[in-house]
Amino acid sequence: DTGVSQDPRHKITKRGQNVTFRCDPISEHNRLYWYRQTLGQGPEFLTYFQNEAQLEKSRLLSDRFSAERPKGSFSTLEIQRTEQGDSAMYLCASSLSSYNEQFFGPGTRLTVL
Amino acid sequence: KQEVTQIPAALSVPEGENLVLNCSFTDSAIYNLQWFRQDPGKGLTSLLLIQSSQREQTSGRLNASLDKSSGRSTLYIAASQPGDSATYLCAVGGTSGTYKYIFGTGTRLKVLA
Repeated sequence: DTGVSQDPRHKITKRGQNVTFRCDPISEHNRLYWYRQTLGQGPEFLTYFQNEAQLEKSRLLSDRFSAERPKGSFSTLEIQRTEQGDSAMYLCASSLSSYNEQFFGPGTRLTVL
Repeated sequence: KQEVTQIPAALSVPEGENLVLNCSFTDSAIYNLQWFRQDPGKGLTSLLLIQSSQREQTSGRLNASLDKSSGRSTLYIAASQPGDSATYLCAVGGTSGTYKYIFGTGTRLKVLA
């Protein structure tokens, strides 16, 4: 257990539905990252927060994706109008500061039918 | 654009062997490199973090080295055990002033009893 928690651990949804995932980082960490991992691939960066400010977004993060970290603590990742191509493991990580070790949560596995 | 490659993609060794996993990256302007292990269907477990100013880090049976100028890192595992079976991922951070990690596709290791 790294101290980063994610909820839910598994989500099965039908195409076109909206889903929301939550990440709770290690309490003193002000950096929070979202990555997406598909089978057989390494994780790909989605977005990054420093406290409540979203500082970087990948081109992978289409208009259907939105992420928030309202009070600089937990974060949510919402996918609207899900597509089958959104099926993946969504990973959250946190770090104490820039260029420090990133600690990953257990991930949320999304299956879109 | 930073690209990270891991060779070999898969490796099967008998218990007790010493082994080396390789990670190469195309842009040497990195701040750090982190090695992870990932068990099937799970999140990432941090193994070692090497800052750009360091040449190597050690933890137990693991030793990671970094040669920034040649764009290479190696993870050395001594006296391998069946419990070491997992996918090993390397990630580089700090390319082009960004804090995100760029991951390789991993090496799937199987240690046979």
